[in-house]
Amino acid sequence: QSALTQPASVSGSPGQSITISCTGTSSDVGAFNYVSWYQQHPGKVPNLLIYDVNKRPSGVSNRFSASKSGDTASLTISGLQAEDDADYYCSSYTRSSTWVFGGGTRLTVL
Amino acid sequence: ITLKESGPTLARPKESLTLTCTFSGFSLSTSGVGVGWIRQPPGKALEWLALIYWNEDKRYNPSLKRRLTITKDTSKNQVVLTMTNLDPVDTATYFCARTIPMTWDHWGQGSLFTVSS
Repeated sequence: QSALTQPASVSGSPGQSITISCTGTSSDVGAFNYVSWYQQHPGKVPNLLIYDVNKRPSGVSNRFSASKSGDTASLTISGLQAEDDADYYCSSYTRSSTWVFGGGTRLTVL
Repeated sequence: ITLKESGPTLARPKESLTLTCTFSGFSLSTSGVGVGWIRQPPGKALEWLALIYWNEDKRYNPSLKRRLTITKDTSKNQVVLTMTNLDPVDTATYFCARTIPMTWDHWGQGSLFTVSS
């Protein structure tokens, strides 16, 4: 299985909105509504932001939203804040009953 | 809910690695629950390795399947991952995490493991 494709980096200014894409195939992202997104600050543990394509766990800011269309999922962060400066990973359940992660996207808040 | 990885920090090429995940706050006998392993080489992306469910069902990353074995001891709240035939490219931080269908909602702090001669 191949890693999901994410842009290596994105950037935005405080207050702006950015979107990170996550492209897979009909065997993973396109197969089920089981896409998750994680935020990871340097040297820290990944933190679950979104699950089941667009659901936020309790405690996650509503500035984080997500969607999916076909084989591509997207994470949108609105009202960018300095604390959003981090790495972001998508993951998906697959038709083989395994898991696959994306290559990660480095978000820089300018 | 907490998970914590333990095991060696260093091994030589060709050797094997055994990592233990000790968790609390949930039971691996609860329907739908699983515990798995995910690793992250320094400066690189997350890579899913293996998962064991409450019912003993096991799943492995196809590219690493021949080298991995995952087991659980429900009474001790532990999941063990064994990786054989180590290579320097296996150097990474190894995380254990809980899955409730279908996401990884709680992660351990991670354990850095180095393969070097």
